[in-house]
Amino acid sequence: GAGVSQSPSNKVTEKGKDVELRCDPISGHTALYWYRQSLGQGLEFLIYFQGNSAPDKSGLPSDRFSAERTGGSVSTLTIQRTQQEDSAVYLCASSLMGLSSYEQYFGPGTRLTVT
Amino acid sequence: GENVEQHPSTLSVQEGDSAVIKCTYSDSASNYFPWYKQELGKRPQLIIDIRSNVGEKKDQRIAVTLNKTAKHFSLHITETQPEDSAVYFCAAIDTGNQFYFGTGTSLTVIP
Repeated sequence: GAGVSQSPSNKVTEKGKDVELRCDPISGHTALYWYRQSLGQGLEFLIYFQGNSAPDKSGLPSDRFSAERTGGSVSTLTIQRTQQEDSAVYLCASSLMGLSSYEQYFGPGTRLTVT
Repeated sequence: GENVEQHPSTLSVQEGDSAVIKCTYSDSASNYFPWYKQELGKRPQLIIDIRSNVGEKKDQRIAVTLNKTAKHFSLHITETQPEDSAVYFCAAIDTGNQFYFGTGTSLTVIP
């Protein structure tokens, strides 16, 4: 079946503009995660959804970042008034989060460049 | 919250030698420890995982060991091959189903 998909794959935006990143998880996966990965760096946790609710928003870097998930499926990550330091690859992952499997399946990422 | 530390940050080995990457965690309640491999320009993919009720797990050339008392776990790759070159991330999951990733180890296997 289809894996996790993300769109767009690449986004170049001017400083100060808003951007919206989309994640389509694997069907039936209840958990959805957003991470940020700067060049050559590790995975920085941003936010986690269990169903449509986000029990942990502590990783969002600032109030310019927000995320939502509707219908227990698609999620969007919105960055308002983008800054150059927001440039990174944004990865989404989904998981069944059941007793049998915690495995996270990652999407291909969205490469965001803020000029 | 959980804190996962990973060492070394870079590792170079000769083809055929073994590679070991170590991680420590802080929350004794964490109960699941996966390892992900990320090749250049690609997404992370799970290569092996271990639950807290198991001390060791092996899958062909890779193995993971867990010491709950010391709160550390390690990835072992034997008979390394050039295609093992990648960045490896360890992680721990806490009781709130939150994943905490290590900072990654860049492994280079020299032919």
